[in-house]
Amino acid sequence: DAKTTQPNSMESNEEEPVHLPCNHSTISGTDYIHWYRQLPSQGPEYVIHGLTSNVNNRMASLAIAEDRKSSTLILHRATLRDAAVYYCIRRIGNQGGKLIFGQGTELSVKP
Amino acid sequence: ETGVTQSPTHLIKTRGQQVTLRCSSQSGHNTVSWYQQALGQGPQFIFQYYREEENGRGNFPPRFSGLQFPNYSSELNVNALELDDSALYLCASSFRGPMNTEAFFGQGTRLTVV
Repeated sequence: DAKTTQPNSMESNEEEPVHLPCNHSTISGTDYIHWYRQLPSQGPEYVIHGLTSNVNNRMASLAIAEDRKSSTLILHRATLRDAAVYYCIRRIGNQGGKLIFGQGTELSVKP
Repeated sequence: ETGVTQSPTHLIKTRGQQVTLRCSSQSGHNTVSWYQQALGQGPQFIFQYYREEENGRGNFPPRFSGLQFPNYSSELNVNALELDDSALYLCASSFRGPMNTEAFFGQGTRLTVV
């Protein structure tokens, strides 16, 4: 199963928006795009997911390209608590929800 | 707090031994998945259980096996431990249904093989 591609690390200033990109050029039509984040010594935490349309929730927004080959996670106002590794994930639609993690982007937030 | 609990939190084993890791799913969830996360890497899918049967497996050898019980709790068993099995083992529970829902992860079990 092909993995997603993300930058290894990104840096942001507190209170500013953050755009975390992800490439998933081999995604199939039934795969969902999920984002999770992981703090040190903790399990991954769900952030948001989508299939084709852009999605918003209380944590973030997800912008999905029209061809579905890429997506962007948007944190509208970064806080120090948002510092984590963010994973862009393919959820295999026809295999009961198997999650294919990539390497993730380590986000650091400066005060 | 996700409602998914794993035990033990840390474990040290010797190469060649066998280990059993346990996971209690969140209430109402019928599916449990196990992942292996090596240091500095993203989690890798091991297998998934739905209604007490294995329902999908990643690229792991048969010495990795599992069980799901009627109360949806689960075990991961690893036989003939190797040094490369040292990793964080994560359990994730979810509800398999018509809607695509999120998975809830436990804190993980840190396994060290010496």
